[in-house]
Amino acid sequence: AQSVTQLDSQVPVFEEAPVELRCNYSSSVSVYLFWYVQYPNQGLQLLLKYLSGSTLVKGINGFEAEFNKSQTSFHLRKPSVHISDTAEYFCAVRWAGAGSYQLTFGKGTKLSVIP
Amino acid sequence: GAVVSQHPSRVICKSGTSVKIECRSLDFQATTMFWYRQFPKQSLMLMATSNEGSKATYEQGVEKDKFLINHASLTLSTLTVTSAHPEDSSFYICSARDELPGGVEQYFGPGTRLTVT
Repeated sequence: AQSVTQLDSQVPVFEEAPVELRCNYSSSVSVYLFWYVQYPNQGLQLLLKYLSGSTLVKGINGFEAEFNKSQTSFHLRKPSVHISDTAEYFCAVRWAGAGSYQLTFGKGTKLSVIP
Repeated sequence: GAVVSQHPSRVICKSGTSVKIECRSLDFQATTMFWYRQFPKQSLMLMATSNEGSKATYEQGVEKDKFLINHASLTLSTLTVTSAHPEDSSFYICSARDELPGGVEQYFGPGTRLTVT
């Protein structure tokens, strides 16, 4: 079974400052990793995903994440945040094998951008 | 891109009544859809996997007789909360998986806010 730990439940950051949202996972098998963003009262939007290949993944809205297999981490970063980035961010993992499509989510990190 | 819709977006019902929530894949076919429940300030918890033309697979602890799932077509899955109680109040989100070769994503609907009074 997989599990996902998002180490920070809330991250306040000033506008135009850099931010890192941390995500660690635990799995005994190969996994795919995802970051989703959720705005209030809305569904989830995919920011980026890691399937294989380059460990640095670039996503939408200027976000990127780095897969670190040895540390079982997939931290999300943005060099300069905007007010519009205020939202809840979820890290998720699913087994990389065929036939299983379920996602396991972390508890989420609320990013608050301060003007 | 793949779009998943949900209807209604918000619903308020009285205790003891039943509520149906629809999840549609608008521009693609989805043999597999997922239903999640999200409590305030918490993560998404998978309730069940909905399979077109067959019975849904429920996660441990989810009452299948209370949360009825029907996936009668390749573009529609419904979740019916039967005999709703205030503790069923929550945000319900559905998703559909990318079924193209090599596809690994899930596409999420916008969610349905259920309030039981």
